[in-house]
Amino acid sequence: DVKVTQSSRYLVKRTGEKVFLECVQDMDHENMFWYRQDPGLGLRLIYFSYDVKMKEKGDIPEGYSVSREKKERFSLILESASTNQTSMYLCASSLEWLGLAGSVTDTQYFGPGTRLTVL
Amino acid sequence: AQKITQTQPGMFVQEKEAVTLDCTYDTSDQSYGLFWYKQPSSGEMIFLIYQGSYDEQNATEGRYSLNFQKARKSANLVISASQLGDSAMYFCAMRESTNAGKSTFGDGTTLTVKP
Repeated sequence: DVKVTQSSRYLVKRTGEKVFLECVQDMDHENMFWYRQDPGLGLRLIYFSYDVKMKEKGDIPEGYSVSREKKERFSLILESASTNQTSMYLCASSLEWLGLAGSVTDTQYFGPGTRLTVL
Repeated sequence: AQKITQTQPGMFVQEKEAVTLDCTYDTSDQSYGLFWYKQPSSGEMIFLIYQGSYDEQNATEGRYSLNFQKARKSANLVISASQLGDSAMYFCAMRESTNAGKSTFGDGTTLTVKP
């Protein structure tokens, strides 16, 4: 079974703090993703990574950065947390992107989520 | 335009009955994948079922089946013999070839199973 873990289930930070959200997967997946989920807005992609040291912006990258130094670990960084970054953050991984969608290898497996509150 | 549309914000079903959750999608790609996920109140997104655009047969996984109608661009999830544990939010998602592998998610449908 694929296992995706996130460093914290709940996190409370203060405005202006630097925040690290860690995600680790144990299935040697090539692709990793960070989403945020807000009521009424669904899931929105922040960043994703096809491979080590590679990253691509998603739909809402502003205010965030990422790091992928090892294949199994993908970190989301809030350089200076703001109250509008209070949200549920979900990490996901998938086996590989074959360059052609329509393969079951595209299936994303999610971690349990981190509920971040910025005061 | 919304790429994934789930028109039912909330649904109720009696335990042991079947229920259909609607999903329509919009893409001009020939090659794409469609996914359904379940999110219980605990927050974790659980993968349920996958359908590839070239798959001729509807996907099935246990009590879950996907009613794929390509011409109508619909990918409805059917849950047979509903159980109380099926109460959750359900998301439809699509991954397209031309969108650099990014997935698009619908807004979700909250399913409540009544005893």
